[in-house]
Amino acid sequence: TQLLEQSPQFLSIQEGENLTVYCNSSSVFSSLQWYRQEPGEGPVLLVTVVTGGEVKKLKRLTFQFGDARKDSSLHITAAQPGDTGLYLCAGAYSNYQLIWGAGTKLIIKP
Amino acid sequence: NAGVTQTPKFRVLKTGQSMTLLCAQDMNHEYMYWYRQDPGMGLRLIHYSVGEGTTAKGEVPDGYNVSRLKKQNFLLGLESAAPSQTSVYFCASSYSTRVRQPQHFGDGTRLSIL
Repeated sequence: TQLLEQSPQFLSIQEGENLTVYCNSSSVFSSLQWYRQEPGEGPVLLVTVVTGGEVKKLKRLTFQFGDARKDSSLHITAAQPGDTGLYLCAGAYSNYQLIWGAGTKLIIKP
Repeated sequence: NAGVTQTPKFRVLKTGQSMTLLCAQDMNHEYMYWYRQDPGMGLRLIHYSVGEGTTAKGEVPDGYNVSRLKKQNFLLGLESAAPSQTSVYFCASSYSTRVRQPQHFGDGTRLSIL
């Protein structure tokens, strides 16, 4: 059974602080996606990383794919209340299926 | 832009009842998926479809059936609802076979089985 573990499960910080969320597996993935989900809505794709060691930036969010393509991290600089949400990582191991992490619930307090 | 629309948004059933969840997408996507989301477990794939008239089992298919009679619609059926099927159900669609393509999600159906 393939697993994708996210940590921490819950994080509550003050506006302006930095944070990092991790997504780890013992399996190799062909690509990995990060989604953000807000209450009462479905997940929305933030980024897809494909190449080992790849780094992508989306404004204050920095995503990195591990060299061995088994892990990934999401770093947020100077967090804002608008960053509040559930962050999900999903790894691709076949043409049609993703393996999903359980998510990190992030709360940014003003 | 409707995207992916799920109906109903909420439903309460009694054990043993049956129901059908409807998913409709207007993006002309070939691929459609049904997931369930439970606290602490992430999204789990129930069934998926790679085109009109074709369906396949995902990770947790037992107790569910699906049909894809039209390209834009993907139906999820519960034949005899059980309390273990209480969950939030999400439908998603994507354009390509390549999983690196984004999946577009509906807003979910909250289903409670008493």
